[in-house]
Amino acid sequence: AQSVTQLDSHVSVSEGTPVLLRCNYSSSYSPSLFWYVQHPNKGLQLLLKYTSAATLVKGINGFEAEFKKSETSFHLTKPSAHMSDAAEYFCVVSDISGANNLFFGTGTRLTVIP
Amino acid sequence: DVKVTQSSRYLVKRTGEKVFLECVQDMDHENMFWYRQDPGLGLRLIYFSYDVKMKEKGDIPEGYSVSREKKERFSLILESASTNQTSMYLCASSSLPRAYLGSEKLFFGSGTQLSVL
Repeated sequence: AQSVTQLDSHVSVSEGTPVLLRCNYSSSYSPSLFWYVQHPNKGLQLLLKYTSAATLVKGINGFEAEFKKSETSFHLTKPSAHMSDAAEYFCVVSDISGANNLFFGTGTRLTVIP
Repeated sequence: DVKVTQSSRYLVKRTGEKVFLECVQDMDHENMFWYRQDPGLGLRLIYFSYDVKMKEKGDIPEGYSVSREKKERFSLILESASTNQTSMYLCASSSLPRAYLGSEKLFFGSGTQLSVL
């Protein structure tokens, strides 16, 4: 069975410093993995996705994530945080086609301190 | 850009009322979804639909029903609202055929914050 764990419910960084949002997954098959971002009062927006191509995935707004099978991780990073990055981030795993098999993490709220 | 529109941003209802949440997408997508978002629980799938008049239960369908009479519109119905249904409800859509669900991104609406008193 698949599942996803976001290790931090809240991360706080200073503007201009690196961002690391951690995600570990459990999957019986080769998973598809996604990161979504949700800004206040908005719906979720796709940041990036991994679907068995390159293990380092680049997304929008300077974010990237690395798929590490040996560590079952898909951590989201950004070299330099911007105030506009303050939002909630969701890691999502899917390994069998079908809507019932999209599993959302519990979310990580990112705060950026000026 | 794909637009998924949820008819209400905030809704306040009383226990026992029948509640309709409406969602419309403008890109002719085959698949539409209703999720519930609660703090600390992430998103949980209530129902999804892969075609007009077709629906499938998600992880937490109890107390909910859905209707898809037209391709662009997917309605979530709370037959008799209860306080434990107070939550943020998110509608989403995607374009791929049902066999490829899970490998393609979802397009989300802005959500409806429902409070049941």
